[in-house]
Amino acid sequence: DGGITQSPKYLFRKEGQNVTLSCEQNLNHDAMYWYRQDPGQGLRLIYYSQIVNDFQKGDIAEGYSVSREKKESFPLTVTSAQKNPTAFYLCASARRQGGDNEQFFGPGTRLTVL
Amino acid sequence: RKEVEQDPGPFNVPEGATVAFNCTYSNSASQSFFWYRQDCRKEPKLLMSVYSSGNEDGRFTAQLNRASQYISLLIRDSKLSDSATYLCVVAPNTGNQFYFGTGTSLTVIP
Repeated sequence: DGGITQSPKYLFRKEGQNVTLSCEQNLNHDAMYWYRQDPGQGLRLIYYSQIVNDFQKGDIAEGYSVSREKKESFPLTVTSAQKNPTAFYLCASARRQGGDNEQFFGPGTRLTVL
Repeated sequence: RKEVEQDPGPFNVPEGATVAFNCTYSNSASQSFFWYRQDCRKEPKLLMSVYSSGNEDGRFTAQLNRASQYISLLIRDSKLSDSATYLCVVAPNTGNQFYFGTGTSLTVIP
């Protein structure tokens, strides 16, 4: 089955620790995205990538880092510099950037900082 | 001004009712429009794309009004299973990112 997987589903971390969220897709999509969703708020774009070895900052990139070494994988690292990291993190992919290409989402990772 | 704005609701309607959501967007050059559905604590899933001529999928009808820069979603004969948050999404034809509304919450009551 084709799709997007994210792991872990729930993640707890102590303040001051970096943590990496996994996102893998087997849809052969070029574009991948990371969003953050807070209660009662819409999705906010953290980073996106159009092709391997290339990525751009979204609206709220501070305190986060990404890599795109393989087409299938787009991991997100939440660093200790992120001041309010507790949120629901969603990874998405699209066949290509922009246009009429809808985004497909993974099941998300709920990060809680203790 | 936000790129996309939606009435957050909540909308509480009885089964069988017809309900409509509107969404406005600020960039007149926007080219692609979608409605996504998000269930509680789950990921958003594509409900339908919105085409210039309007489109219908069963009980769901989506329309685009470019002159007034809004899109709408009409749900007829509401079912309990329609209870969810509906996200409006707007994207340019080229370039960088999709813009999501904050979502409209719908609860269908027995």
